[in-house]
Amino acid sequence: SQQGEEDPQALSIQEGENATMNCSYKTSINNLQWYRQNSGRGLVHLILIRSNEREKHSGRLRVTLDTSKKSSSLLITASRAADTASYFCATVGDNYGQNFVFGPGTRLSVLP
Amino acid sequence: EPEVTQTPSHQVTQMGQEVILRCVPISNHLYFYWYRQILGQKVEFLVSFYNNEISEKSEIFDDQFSVERPDGSNFTLKIRSTKLEDSAMYFCASSALGAITDTQYFGPGTRLTVL
Repeated sequence: SQQGEEDPQALSIQEGENATMNCSYKTSINNLQWYRQNSGRGLVHLILIRSNEREKHSGRLRVTLDTSKKSSSLLITASRAADTASYFCATVGDNYGQNFVFGPGTRLSVLP
Repeated sequence: EPEVTQTPSHQVTQMGQEVILRCVPISNHLYFYWYRQILGQKVEFLVSFYNNEISEKSEIFDDQFSVERPDGSNFTLKIRSTKLEDSAMYFCASSALGAITDTQYFGPGTRLTVL
């Protein structure tokens, strides 16, 4: 089955720096979504990118998708301490299916 | 902004007991989901629900699990005879359209602890 795998598993940066997280998956997808999870809390949707899109922006977030490499990246620019969280990619297959497959996540720590 | 709500936030139960986790999806959404996250592990899909029936379920969703939409607003997950390994965060989600086209909005989760 397809599977999102993020790397790195953990990332520690200084406030103001950019953070880049990557996600790889195994089978063809309809769309890929990035979520944030603060410790012990729910999942907050960040951005959705469809398989026919290559790049999307939302505020300080930039997501790219390379379907030939089956990978996506999430860039957070000018990071803030409040960005400290775990970030997950979730994929949806291009056949009939209503569920996400989540990767294990990248734990981002932004140090003040 | 509308949001998915879940109750209780934390449930402690004895092994073998039944639990019901409750969710109120966003009001105009048609698709509902349950996921679970064992501590430190991935978020795993359990079940999706549309038009008053299960549309898809994972291998995890065995006979001890059931879902129900008892009225126009609630969506419940019942675990019939809890096991220690059922301890996890359980997330409810909803979407206006199916996941293949639409964003899923997640609730804050219910932490289930089975003793």
